[in-house]
Amino acid sequence: GQQLNQSPQSMFIQEGEDVSMNCTSSSIFNTWLWYKQDPGEGPVLLIALYKAGELTSNGRLTAQFGITRKDSFLNISASIPSDVGIYFCAGRGTSGSRLTFGEGTQLTVNP
Amino acid sequence: DSGVTQTPKHLITATGQRVTLRCSPRSGDLSVYWYQQSLDQGLQFLIQYYNGEERAKGNILERFSAQQFPDLHSELNLSSLELGDSALYFCASSSGSPANEQFFGPGTRLTVL
Repeated sequence: GQQLNQSPQSMFIQEGEDVSMNCTSSSIFNTWLWYKQDPGEGPVLLIALYKAGELTSNGRLTAQFGITRKDSFLNISASIPSDVGIYFCAGRGTSGSRLTFGEGTQLTVNP
Repeated sequence: DSGVTQTPKHLITATGQRVTLRCSPRSGDLSVYWYQQSLDQGLQFLIQYYNGEERAKGNILERFSAQQFPDLHSELNLSSLELGDSALYFCASSSGSPANEQFFGPGTRLTVL
Protein backbone atom coordinates (compact mmCIF):
# COMPACT_ATOMS: atom_id res chain seq x y z
CA GLY A 1 0.00 0.00 0.00
CA GLN A 2 0.88 3.66 -0.06
CA GLN A 3 3.36 4.85 2.52
CA LEU A 4 4.15 8.31 3.74
CA ASN A 5 7.38 9.28 5.42
CA GLN A 6 7.06 12.43 7.47
CA SER A 7 10.05 14.20 8.94
CA PRO A 8 11.22 15.26 11.32
CA GLN A 9 9.45 13.24 14.00
CA SER A 10 9.88 16.05 16.50
CA MET A 11 11.19 19.60 16.65
CA PHE A 12 12.12 21.84 19.55
CA ILE A 13 12.41 25.49 18.58
CA GLN A 14 12.46 28.94 20.11
CA GLU A 15 9.56 31.31 19.70
CA GLY A 16 10.03 33.41 16.58
CA GLU A 17 11.92 30.78 14.62
CA ASP A 18 10.74 29.39 11.32
CA VAL A 19 9.85 25.71 10.99
CA SER A 20 9.88 23.33 8.05
CA MET A 21 8.59 19.78 7.82
CA ASN A 22 7.97 17.49 4.88
CA CYS A 23 6.37 14.32 3.67
CA THR A 24 7.43 11.97 0.92
CA SER A 25 5.41 9.23 -0.67
CA SER A 26 6.29 5.98 -2.36
CA SER A 27 3.66 6.72 -5.01
CA ILE A 28 2.00 9.65 -6.76
CA PHE A 29 -0.65 11.60 -4.89
CA ASN A 30 -3.44 13.76 -6.31
CA THR A 31 -4.11 15.62 -3.07
CA TRP A 32 -1.99 16.70 -0.14
CA LEU A 33 -3.50 17.90 3.11
CA TRP A 34 -1.86 19.26 6.25
CA TYR A 35 -3.52 18.94 9.65
CA LYS A 36 -2.69 20.07 13.17
CA GLN A 37 -3.73 18.08 16.23
CA ASP A 38 -3.76 19.35 19.79
CA PRO A 39 -3.58 16.78 22.62
CA GLY A 40 -6.81 14.82 22.97
CA GLU A 41 -8.48 16.71 20.14
CA GLY A 42 -9.33 15.89 16.55
CA PRO A 43 -7.03 16.97 13.71
CA VAL A 44 -7.84 20.37 12.24
CA LEU A 45 -7.33 20.98 8.54
CA LEU A 46 -4.75 23.70 7.87
CA ILE A 47 -4.07 23.63 4.14
CA ALA A 48 -5.26 21.59 1.14
CA LEU A 49 -3.25 21.23 -2.08
CA TYR A 50 -4.60 19.86 -5.36
CA LYS A 51 -2.08 20.59 -8.11
CA ALA A 52 1.59 19.73 -8.57
CA GLY A 53 3.68 22.81 -7.86
CA GLU A 54 0.84 24.55 -6.01
CA LEU A 55 1.98 26.85 -3.20
CA THR A 56 -0.71 27.85 -0.71
CA SER A 57 -0.58 30.03 2.38
CA ASN A 58 -2.79 30.26 5.44
CA GLY A 59 -1.52 33.07 7.64
CA ARG A 60 1.96 32.16 8.80
CA LEU A 61 1.68 28.70 7.25
CA THR A 62 2.79 27.88 3.72
CA ALA A 63 2.57 24.48 2.05
CA GLN A 64 3.63 23.23 -1.35
CA PHE A 65 2.61 20.28 -3.52
CA GLY A 66 5.84 18.87 -4.93
CA ILE A 67 6.42 18.83 -8.68
CA THR A 68 6.97 15.07 -8.67
CA ARG A 69 3.61 14.65 -6.86
CA LYS A 70 5.40 12.47 -4.35
CA ASP A 71 6.18 15.08 -1.73
CA SER A 72 4.90 18.10 0.12
CA PHE A 73 6.27 20.47 2.70
CA LEU A 74 4.84 22.76 5.34
CA ASN A 75 6.56 25.90 6.60
CA ILE A 76 5.58 27.88 9.67
CA SER A 77 7.08 31.33 9.94
CA ALA A 78 7.72 33.27 13.14
CA SER A 79 6.50 30.49 15.42
CA ILE A 80 4.47 31.28 18.52
CA PRO A 81 3.65 29.12 21.58
CA SER A 82 0.19 28.20 20.28
CA ASP A 83 1.82 26.49 17.29
CA VAL A 84 2.65 23.62 19.65
CA GLY A 85 1.03 20.36 18.58
CA ILE A 86 1.36 17.47 16.17
CA TYR A 87 1.32 18.23 12.47
CA PHE A 88 0.18 15.52 10.08
CA CYS A 89 0.45 15.34 6.35
CA ALA A 90 -2.10 13.28 4.45
CA GLY A 91 -2.32 12.32 0.82
CA ARG A 92 -4.82 10.79 -1.55
CA GLY A 93 -3.54 8.57 -4.34
CA THR A 94 -4.68 8.29 -7.92
CA SER A 95 -7.44 5.82 -7.17
CA GLY A 96 -9.88 5.47 -4.35
CA SER A 97 -10.96 7.93 -1.75
CA ARG A 98 -8.97 7.06 1.32
CA LEU A 99 -6.30 9.31 2.76
CA THR A 100 -2.95 8.02 3.92
CA PHE A 101 -1.51 9.87 6.92
CA GLY A 102 2.08 10.48 7.87
CA GLU A 103 3.28 9.63 11.36
CA GLY A 104 3.25 13.25 12.46
CA THR A 105 5.75 15.90 13.52
CA GLN A 106 5.60 16.90 17.19
CA LEU A 107 6.38 20.60 17.45
CA THR A 108 7.46 22.22 20.72
CA VAL A 109 7.92 25.99 20.87
CA ASN A 110 9.86 27.43 23.78
CA PRO A 111 8.83 30.96 24.77
CA ASP B 1 -15.68 23.49 15.56
CA SER B 2 -15.56 21.24 12.49
CA GLY B 3 -19.28 20.49 12.53
CA VAL B 4 -18.63 16.76 13.05
CA THR B 5 -19.95 15.43 16.34
CA GLN B 6 -18.98 12.25 18.15
CA THR B 7 -20.40 10.59 21.23
CA PRO B 8 -19.45 9.62 23.80
CA LYS B 9 -16.35 11.70 24.52
CA HIS B 10 -14.94 9.05 26.84
CA LEU B 11 -15.72 5.37 27.26
CA ILE B 12 -14.29 3.00 29.84
CA THR B 13 -15.11 -0.66 29.61
CA ALA B 14 -13.75 -4.13 30.32
CA THR B 15 -12.13 -6.73 28.11
CA GLY B 16 -14.60 -8.88 26.25
CA GLN B 17 -17.27 -6.20 26.16
CA ARG B 18 -18.91 -4.53 23.18
CA VAL B 19 -19.27 -0.78 22.61
CA THR B 20 -20.82 1.49 20.01
CA LEU B 21 -19.35 4.82 18.97
CA ARG B 22 -21.51 7.34 17.20
CA CYS B 23 -20.73 10.02 14.64
CA SER B 24 -22.80 12.71 12.98
CA PRO B 25 -21.17 14.24 9.88
CA ARG B 26 -21.19 17.89 8.88
CA SER B 27 -24.45 19.02 7.37
CA GLY B 28 -24.52 17.99 3.72
CA ASP B 29 -21.54 15.62 3.89
CA LEU B 30 -22.22 12.18 2.47
CA SER B 31 -18.96 10.43 3.35
CA VAL B 32 -17.97 9.26 6.81
CA TYR B 33 -14.56 7.85 7.70
CA TRP B 34 -13.43 6.11 10.87
CA TYR B 35 -9.85 6.23 12.15
CA GLN B 36 -8.04 4.72 15.11
CA GLN B 37 -5.20 6.55 16.84
CA SER B 38 -3.25 4.62 19.46
CA LEU B 39 -1.00 6.36 21.95
CA ASP B 40 1.71 8.41 20.27
CA GLN B 41 0.84 6.97 16.89
CA GLY B 42 -0.58 8.21 13.66
CA LEU B 43 -4.06 7.87 12.28
CA GLN B 44 -4.99 4.44 11.01
CA PHE B 45 -7.84 4.37 8.52
CA LEU B 46 -10.51 1.83 9.40
CA ILE B 47 -13.44 2.21 7.04
CA GLN B 48 -15.38 4.65 4.86
CA TYR B 49 -19.08 4.92 4.09
CA TYR B 50 -20.62 7.02 1.36
CA ASN B 51 -24.35 7.71 1.40
CA GLY B 52 -25.05 4.52 3.33
CA GLU B 53 -22.78 2.20 1.39
CA GLU B 54 -19.38 0.87 2.39
CA ARG B 55 -16.84 2.49 0.06
CA ALA B 56 -13.38 1.61 1.34
CA LYS B 57 -11.90 -0.61 3.98
CA GLY B 58 -8.60 -0.20 5.76
CA ASN B 59 -7.02 -2.05 8.64
CA ILE B 60 -10.27 -2.84 10.38
CA LEU B 61 -10.39 -5.93 12.56
CA GLU B 62 -13.11 -8.53 12.07
CA ARG B 63 -14.27 -7.75 15.62
CA PHE B 64 -15.09 -4.22 14.45
CA SER B 65 -17.97 -3.23 12.20
CA ALA B 66 -19.61 -0.02 11.09
CA GLN B 67 -22.67 1.23 9.33
CA GLN B 68 -24.11 4.47 8.02
CA PHE B 69 -27.80 5.13 8.47
CA PRO B 70 -30.27 6.89 6.14
CA ASP B 71 -29.87 10.13 8.10
CA LEU B 72 -26.11 9.78 7.36
CA HIS B 73 -24.96 9.33 10.92
CA SER B 74 -22.60 6.44 11.44
CA GLU B 75 -21.84 3.96 14.19
CA LEU B 76 -18.67 1.99 14.83
CA ASN B 77 -19.20 -1.21 16.77
CA LEU B 78 -16.28 -2.75 18.62
CA SER B 79 -16.77 -6.20 20.12
CA SER B 80 -14.78 -8.72 22.16
CA LEU B 81 -12.66 -5.81 23.28
CA GLU B 82 -9.01 -6.31 24.11
CA LEU B 83 -6.59 -4.12 26.05
CA GLY B 84 -4.92 -3.16 22.77
CA ASP B 85 -8.13 -1.63 21.49
CA SER B 86 -7.66 1.27 23.87
CA ALA B 87 -7.23 4.30 21.62
CA LEU B 88 -8.75 7.47 20.30
CA TYR B 89 -11.35 6.81 17.62
CA PHE B 90 -12.04 9.63 15.20
CA CYS B 91 -14.77 10.13 12.70
CA ALA B 92 -14.27 12.44 9.74
CA SER B 93 -16.64 13.56 7.02
CA SER B 94 -16.35 14.99 3.55
CA SER B 95 -18.76 16.15 0.92
CA GLY B 96 -18.09 13.45 -1.63
CA SER B 97 -16.21 10.41 -2.66
CA PRO B 98 -13.40 10.45 -3.62
CA ALA B 99 -12.59 12.61 -0.69
CA ASN B 100 -10.55 15.71 -0.79
CA GLU B 101 -10.88 17.60 2.43
CA GLN B 102 -11.88 15.57 5.46
CA PHE B 103 -13.08 17.27 8.62
CA PHE B 104 -12.55 15.49 11.90
CA GLY B 105 -14.72 15.19 14.96
CA PRO B 106 -13.40 15.58 18.52
CA GLY B 107 -12.95 11.82 18.94
CA THR B 108 -13.97 9.17 21.44
CA ARG B 109 -11.33 8.02 23.89
CA LEU B 110 -11.84 4.32 24.57
CA THR B 111 -10.16 2.73 27.55
CA VAL B 112 -10.35 -1.04 27.92
CA LEU B 113 -9.45 -2.31 31.39
